[in-house]
Amino acid sequence: AQSVTQLDSHVSVSEGTPVLLRCNYSSSYSPSLFWYVQHPNKGLQLLLKYTSAATLVKGINGFEAEFKKSETSFHLTKPSAHMSDAAEYFCVVTLTNDYKLSFGAGTTVTVRA
Amino acid sequence: NAGVTQTPKFRILKIGQSMTLQCTQDMNHNYMYWYRQDPGMGLKLIYYSVGAGITDKGEVPNGYNVSRSTTEDFPLRLELAAPSQTSVYFCASSPQSGGLRGYTFGSGTRLTVV
Repeated sequence: AQSVTQLDSHVSVSEGTPVLLRCNYSSSYSPSLFWYVQHPNKGLQLLLKYTSAATLVKGINGFEAEFKKSETSFHLTKPSAHMSDAAEYFCVVTLTNDYKLSFGAGTTVTVRA
Repeated sequence: NAGVTQTPKFRILKIGQSMTLQCTQDMNHNYMYWYRQDPGMGLKLIYYSVGAGITDKGEVPNGYNVSRSTTEDFPLRLELAAPSQTSVYFCASSPQSGGLRGYTFGSGTRLTVV
């Protein structure tokens, strides 16, 4: 079985400053990890995914995440926040040979002008 | 490409009423899923299907039913609506090796039971 813990339920940053969203996972086998973003009243959009290739994964809109097996972490970062980054972010895990997703509880990001 | 299409986008039901949430995908994906999203809880899997004619329960199946007569369609049925089923429902699909190729989500159905 696998599970995900998002360590912050809410993150507030100023526009132009870095964003860090923390995610720890638990998995008995090699996991696939994803970050999804959900803007208000919208569906979920894939930001990036890790599937056992390079440990540093680059996604859309300037986001990236680093897979650290020793720390069982998959933290999401962005060097400079934009107002349009205000949304809810979900860390998601699945087994590489499985197809069912396990979602974290989500982190709400607010961006101050 | 339309991707995953859900209808309706919004619905208000009275307690005890029934309804079907529709989900259609045009990517020829074998795997389809229904999730519900409650505030602060992430998404929970209700039912999933690995192909036409095959369905199975997820984490929170009580009060719901599904069918998969075609590859494209995966409707979710609520037989006796209860206030606890007030939620946002997402349909998703993935190809055979979903873990490698990711998932495509619909835009959601916001359901309120009063």
